[in-house]
Amino acid sequence: ETGVTQTPRHLVMGMTNKKSLKCEQHLGHNAMYWYKQSAKKPLELMFVYSLEERVENNSVPSRFSPECPNSSHLFLHLHTLQPEDSALYLCASSQELGGNQPQHFGDGTRLSIL
Amino acid sequence: GQNIDQPTEMTATEGAIVQINCTYQTSGFNGLFWYQQHAGEAPTFLSYNVLDGLEEKGRFSSFLSRSKGYSYLLLKELQMKDSASYLCAPRTDSWGKLQFGAGTQVVVTP
Repeated sequence: ETGVTQTPRHLVMGMTNKKSLKCEQHLGHNAMYWYKQSAKKPLELMFVYSLEERVENNSVPSRFSPECPNSSHLFLHLHTLQPEDSALYLCASSQELGGNQPQHFGDGTRLSIL
Repeated sequence: GQNIDQPTEMTATEGAIVQINCTYQTSGFNGLFWYQQHAGEAPTFLSYNVLDGLEEKGRFSSFLSRSKGYSYLLLKELQMKDSASYLCAPRTDSWGKLQFGAGTQVVVTP
């Protein structure tokens, strides 16, 4: 139990569907992150939020849309995805941005695009 | 650009020692993290180095040389449960952005 919960664990969707990934952290952290993990590739940072404000958007296609309504919740809205978007999507949180405290990860959502 | 190199896979027997090397070339540097990730699970924090030298934490130790852009993770008295991917992640700027390597898959055999 890492204190970061992601739902759903698995998601299969067609290219024209709209779905959302949810992340909730129970650690009282102020920063939250979305990463993409493809097979045999490094984790790719997608979005960063600090105190509900987006800090970084790493040139992610607009078919991925993040939302951070409060410091405990983070969403990733998906629309018109491509087959290459099939991957494990990981959420993480940390106490603050820039401190020496580690990021805590959820178990991820395994996304498959048909 | 950013470049992090670590071996793809290493195999060792139970009870042995394995050293996972990581070299990095990044535009900024502000410490280095090691994470362990079992298949289908979340990466979990193992160690953090910001100063040169060795940090020991039970069976796991991590070393950093900032001048050489080099770190290693040392796993001692290997156990079957140590079979996992180990991720090297230098922090590349002041706000804490981590740049991850592709991971080293460690296979522990009986």
